[in-house]
Amino acid sequence: SQTIHQWPATLVQPVGSPLSLECTVEGTSNPNLYWYRQAAGRGLQLLFYSVGIGQISSEVPQNLSASRPQDRQFILSSKKLLLSDSGFYLCAWSIRGNPRNEQFFGPGTRLTVL
Amino acid sequence: GEDVEQSLFLSVREGDSSVINCTYTDSSSTYLYWYKQEPGAGLQLLTYIFSNMDMKQDQRLTVLLNKKDKHLSLRIADTQTGDSAIYFCAEESGGYNKLIFGAGTRLAVHP
Repeated sequence: SQTIHQWPATLVQPVGSPLSLECTVEGTSNPNLYWYRQAAGRGLQLLFYSVGIGQISSEVPQNLSASRPQDRQFILSSKKLLLSDSGFYLCAWSIRGNPRNEQFFGPGTRLTVL
Repeated sequence: GEDVEQSLFLSVREGDSSVINCTYTDSSSTYLYWYKQEPGAGLQLLTYIFSNMDMKQDQRLTVLLNKKDKHLSLRIADTQTGDSAIYFCAEESGGYNKLIFGAGTRLAVHP
């Protein structure tokens, strides 16, 4: 069966510090991968998605970047965090080419920038 | 543009039915989805409906789709305290399996 992992579960970082959040998927190959942010009291905002190694599409301009160094690994990074980067970050995957665009979510990382 | 709208909050009494409504914009969505998010957790797919269907029933869940009005609803029968969560409606968008989510409806179930 497929599983998706995210770490860390929670993170408190000072403004201006770097960030690296990791997401890995097990039990599947060639998944589409996604990073979402959920700000307090708000919906899900798609940040990045990837259809293959090294292929990253950015949905909104921001202080963050994403990388996919391996097929089932997706990393969200920042060189210098802003207060507005606080939120709940969710990684998700879907089966490439599946006509039903079902996405499977990880447990999330709660980031607080102080 | 693409936009999915939901009311933000719904409060129901335990045992009553809950109806969560959603409007979407992309008429080309082949599927529409309902996801559930429990406190502090990721999202789980609750159910989905194919665009050529008007209704789908799955145990206590009933999904109604009105394509003309681009309106989707989720009915939960006999609502229980365990149903307290945030419910997200989602439509498909473009390629690469992209989904557009609504802001989520927080369902509170009280005795």
